[in-house]
Amino acid sequence: TQLLEQSPQFLSIQEGENLTVYCNSSSVFSSLQWYRQEPGEGPVLLVTVVTGGEVKKLKRLTFQFGDARKDSSLHITAAQPGDTGLYLCAGDNTGTASKLTFGTGTRLQVTL
Amino acid sequence: GAVVSQHPSWVICKSGTSVKIECRSLDFQATTMFWYRQFPKQSLMLMATSNEGSKATYEQGVEKDKFLINHASLTLSTLTVTSAHPEDSSFYICSATSPSGTDTQYFGPGTRLTVL
Repeated sequence: TQLLEQSPQFLSIQEGENLTVYCNSSSVFSSLQWYRQEPGEGPVLLVTVVTGGEVKKLKRLTFQFGDARKDSSLHITAAQPGDTGLYLCAGDNTGTASKLTFGTGTRLQVTL
Repeated sequence: GAVVSQHPSWVICKSGTSVKIECRSLDFQATTMFWYRQFPKQSLMLMATSNEGSKATYEQGVEKDKFLINHASLTLSTLTVTSAHPEDSSFYICSATSPSGTDTQYFGPGTRLTVL
């Protein structure tokens, strides 16, 4: 069974702070995705990384895929209350996103 | 584009009854649909993979006779929870992939099931 461990599990910070969420596995993935999920809703795709060492930026969010394609990180700069939610990484090792393994999740709360 | 809907958004039922949840791809044809279950404050766990016109493939530990999946058309998959028990209470989420493009999974908004 492939496991994707995320850390931290829960993070409560104030507006303006920076944070990093980690997603680690012992398995190699052909691609890795990051999602944000709000209560009572389905997850929304933020980014897909496919190349080892790849870095992608989405406004204040920076995503990195490890060189060995076993781990990834999400860095948020100057967090805002609107960033609050459950962040999930999901790995695909089939090359077609036909079967995703979701990480354990990181619940982020950003307060004023 | 690439919108997936679920119906109902929430449902409450009595123990022993069956509940059907629908997953529809609104603006694309989905050759493959996935069903996930999410318990409170936990991540998504894949239950089964559903391909149009064929039997669903269930993940280890998921009872196929309890969670009936029917993917009768390219835009509709249904999950029926049979003889529901309180431990089946959960958030059920479907996703769909399009045969064209990047095989990205598009997620529905989820269905909250509460079994009394």
